Formats: sequence, structure tokens, C-alpha cells
Amino acid sequence: RKEVEQDPGPFNVPEGATVAFNCTYSNSASQSFFWYRQDCRKEPKLLMSVYSSGNEDGRFTAQLNRASQYISLLIRDSKLSDSATYLCVVSPYSGNTPLVFGKGTRLSVIA
Amino acid sequence: NAGVTQTPKFQVLKTGQSMTLQCAQDMNHNSMYWYRQDPGMGLRLIYYSASEGTTDKGEVPNGYNVSRLNKREFSLRLESAAPSQTSVYFCASSEAPFSGGDPQETQYFGPGTRLLVL
Repeated sequence: RKEVEQDPGPFNVPEGATVAFNCTYSNSASQSFFWYRQDCRKEPKLLMSVYSSGNEDGRFTAQLNRASQYISLLIRDSKLSDSATYLCVVSPYSGNTPLVFGKGTRLSVIA
Repeated sequence: NAGVTQTPKFQVLKTGQSMTLQCAQDMNHNSMYWYRQDPGMGLRLIYYSASEGTTDKGEVPNGYNVSRLNKREFSLRLESAAPSQTSVYFCASSEAPFSGGDPQETQYFGPGTRLLVL
């Protein structure tokens, strides 16, 4: 099983729609989780961290399910500008290794 | 405050040529990283430097060498470029490499170097 797995998409949704992405991770000892956003031909940028209690930032909500070892990202009221690739990122917390990045889920918001 | 900068932005090499990709950060971060990104493969870690004076191999180190010149700078060298090294290369930095949680582990990326090896 890969360390971090995501559905590559693409998810094509109309403006104003709600869309959710899931990501599964294999290392049950992982403690830190993040969502990064990467626009086409640009570098990845931190979107939000994912806390055990879940967290919200405007239209974006991230949740963690430790029992099932997955994290989710919910985007409400999608905007054209939300079109990007969303990377799930996990800290393995084993063997002193850095963050592990998923391959990303591509989102296209259509007018 | 420029964050993470990379040079060059674009480069075309012939097979067998060598080159060094430069990376610098002005955030006083301890840890720095080099990734490559290929279509369908996601980001793959080449090398990282947890702190000044240390370097470690990542997932795909073969064909590359690195130097942590000082706390600010981390360079990636291709001694004999191969077509398989055609990719987009990203440098990143963070306060700490692991076990620190947010925000210490948050990585900040440079704009990337697009490399084509013919």
C-alpha cells in the first residue's frame, strides 16, 4: 500500500458546487497532515493544515479520521479560481523522514 | 522577503553535460529539500538537508549530488545529465524536517526549474 493515496481525478464541477476529496495514508503513527494546492505550472503552496478536531478556513473544511486513516477536504461554493491540483501531505513520523506528498487530485471548476 | 528562490528558471542540456541548480531561502529555515515532479508521478524527494551540515538521500537520489553551502543555500548537481532527468525541479524549505508538527514541518517551495535533457 502506498504511503499516501489520492484519486487523481479530474473532478469537473460547475461553479457554486460543493466538492470533496479524500486521501488515505498507510502509517498509523502519522501525526501531521496538510493540504497543499498547486496551480498549473506553479509551485505547491500550503492550503491548510488538518487538525484532529477538524478545521475550517472560509469555504474550505479539512477533516481527519484516524480510525480509517483518511483525511478529507471539502470545498463549498466552488469558484473558477479553485481550479488546481490538491495535494494530500502526511508526516510519516517514522525513521525521521520528511513529509510525504500524494500525487494530487485535479479539480476543474467550470462556468 | 523573497521566500525560496531558484535559478535558473529554464535550462536545456545535452546528454552528458553537467549543471548545478541553485536554491536559496531567506526565512532562516533549518531544513531544505530538492524534489522532482513528472507527469503522473507527483513530487518525488531527491535529497534533503535536515540542518546545516547534513544531507540525506530521498526517494530518487541516483544521478544527483547536493551541497548545503550554508544555512541559506542548497544546490543540486547533475554530473552527467540523462534524458530521464528531464523534469521540473522544486526546492523547498521548512523550519524543521519532521516530528515538529505544524508549523515547523510546513514546506515552502520555490518557483521551480524546468529542465530538458536532449
